[in-house]
Amino acid sequence: EAQLVQSGGGVVHPGGSLKLSCVASGFSFTGSGLHWVRQASGKGLEWVGRIRGKAKNYATAYAASVEGRFTLSRDDSEDTVYLQMNSLKTEDTALYYCTERATDAWGQGTMVTVSS
Amino acid sequence: EIVLTQSPGTLSLSPGERATLSCRASQSVSALYLAWYQQKPGQAPRLLIHGASSRATGIPDRFSGSGSGTDFTLIINRLEPEDFAVYYCQQYGTTPLTFGGGTKVEI
Repeated sequence: EAQLVQSGGGVVHPGGSLKLSCVASGFSFTGSGLHWVRQASGKGLEWVGRIRGKAKNYATAYAASVEGRFTLSRDDSEDTVYLQMNSLKTEDTALYYCTERATDAWGQGTMVTVSS
Repeated sequence: EIVLTQSPGTLSLSPGERATLSCRASQSVSALYLAWYQQKPGQAPRLLIHGASSRATGIPDRFSGSGSGTDFTLIINRLEPEDFAVYYCQQYGTTPLTFGGGTKVEI
């Protein structure tokens, strides 16, 4: 069974940084693209970004709202994808999910709160 | 980016009834890369439909998707109590990927 386990998150001041991790198991991680989706409290889903697998040169893409501030990376030896979030804004406050499309695996979600 | 507009915002129905949800795109969605997700409170979304009309693994056949170009529909026949949730469409053919604002199906 495909599983994603997230860690990281927490409370940070505006302008600060956080790094989220997502560890995969139960599917072929190396060939998979991983996405991040966030959801502010009581709001809808917002796609954040994705990183492709080795065969597609680990290509990344981001939502305009996070472009230049967030960076996706991965460590295939650890079956882990990372979301580095810099220059955080209050509007980045949300529950962040990692997800893999082919298996429809979702992490448990990790809360990021940006507040002064 | 492709903007997805879902309607109605809320659908009030009873168990056994049929739900018809709409998703309209601001430009054509390439190669039918349109998905539908269901989300219940406190849970991660669950994929229902991909490729506009293909049910995901384990999804009952009362869920059906259709459409092409800019207009897509999710139909839920004979609503079961567990179907009352929020439904999102997503296009995944063009970056940035985008979600619609959601339709809440309530009793």
